[in-house]
Amino acid sequence: QVQLVQSGAEVKKPGDSVKVSCEAPGYTFSRYYLHWVRQAPGQRLEWMGIIDPSGGYTSYTQRLQGRLRMTRDTSTNTVYMELSSLRSEDTAMYYCARSPVTIPAWYFDLWGRGTLVTVSS
Amino acid sequence: EIVMTQSPATLSVSPGESATLSCRASQSVSSNLAWYQQKPGQAPRLLIHDASTRATGIPARFSGSGSGTEFTLSISSLQSEDFAVYYCQQYNNWPPLITFGQGTRLEIK
Repeated sequence: QVQLVQSGAEVKKPGDSVKVSCEAPGYTFSRYYLHWVRQAPGQRLEWMGIIDPSGGYTSYTQRLQGRLRMTRDTSTNTVYMELSSLRSEDTAMYYCARSPVTIPAWYFDLWGRGTLVTVSS
Repeated sequence: EIVMTQSPATLSVSPGESATLSCRASQSVSSNLAWYQQKPGQAPRLLIHDASTRATGIPARFSGSGSGTEFTLSISSLQSEDFAVYYCQQYNNWPPLITFGQGTRLEIK
């Protein structure tokens, strides 16, 4: 079955780091880019960054540069999103989503169910 | 950054009627625009990409139009399952600098 399977909810303290996984069974891993999109409570969707599962290329939104890192493991068809120096404003649902490899077809035809990250002291 | 602005914030429509949702970009995005539907507790679902192409499995009552800076999502013969929040998203950049609108809540009148 084509799906994106995300890791479970996380509760972190300010200053901590969080690492969320997204496994992509059911389709050819290299044929789609993977993105991370987050949604704070009551807020619009915010694109965070992209990773090319094939070559490992990444690009991040400028506002998260220096705190965000995306990696992939081609042996398990899994991508990871790590966000450091967490703040309360990082409390959000974090989604992974795939887009076709055509440029600039950065629309998301498959989404994970989301991982809730709560940052609280 | 390209700012996406949706209107109205909330739209109240009766089942069986039609709805028109608008999305404006702060600069031209050509036809690189998508629409999503999001229901409470769920991930967004792709409805339309490239401004007017319906995604796989999306009913024909959903249609998209526009190019440049002005876009519209039209939904005809509203069904109960259509009441949700709708987001537009532009993807006109390399490297990607993707932005979303703030959403339009479509509610039952």
